[in-house]
Amino acid sequence: EAGVAQSPRYKIIEKRQSVAFWCNPISGHATLYWYQQILGQGPKLLIQFQNNGVVDDSQLPKDRFSAERLKGVDSTLKIQPAKLEDSAVYLCASSLRQGDNYGYTFGSGTRLTVV
Amino acid sequence: GENVEQHPSTLSVQEGDSAVIKCTYSDSASNYFPWYKQELGKRPQLIIDIRSNVGEKKDQRIAVTLNKTAKHFSLHITETQPEDSAVYFCAAIPRPLSSASKIIFGSGTRLSIRP
Repeated sequence: EAGVAQSPRYKIIEKRQSVAFWCNPISGHATLYWYQQILGQGPKLLIQFQNNGVVDDSQLPKDRFSAERLKGVDSTLKIQPAKLEDSAVYLCASSLRQGDNYGYTFGSGTRLTVV
Repeated sequence: GENVEQHPSTLSVQEGDSAVIKCTYSDSASNYFPWYKQELGKRPQLIIDIRSNVGEKKDQRIAVTLNKTAKHFSLHITETQPEDSAVYFCAAIPRPLSSASKIIFGSGTRLSIRP
């Protein structure tokens, strides 16, 4: 099966600029996640969608971060304005549970550098 | 809130020796515990997982043990090889498994295999 697609792979921006990331989950996966992984740390969940609804955005810095999944498929994550501490890899993942089978797959991530 | 603690943060072992990474979780409702391997610049990849109705699971050189009473689980890698060098993340799903479940990650263990 095709994996979780993310773009761009790399992005370098200046602080206070805006940036957007795109994710296309595995076909049929209703749940989509955005994680932030700072160098040397584990992935931290930013937001979780179930279809096009938000399940959990408790750790999303809503003053500068926003995300949407309008048609329940693709998703975009935006940062406006960016800060130096936003430098990280942004991972998208999608999951599907069918009976006892639980599939959870990460995309390759977008490496953001804020200078 | 949900929390997963992982130790050690770094681990160096001689090639051929065994490596053990330990994690504890806080939410007693957790019942699914995956382990991910992340090589430099790559996405986390699932290497093994265990459910709460099982105490141990093995896959070739990799095994995971779970102690639900103590709320801790461990990854064991035997006969380590250079390609085992990576960052390993434990994780837990802090509620009964469903299509909307999210994964909480530990902080990671950087494993280095010395030739």
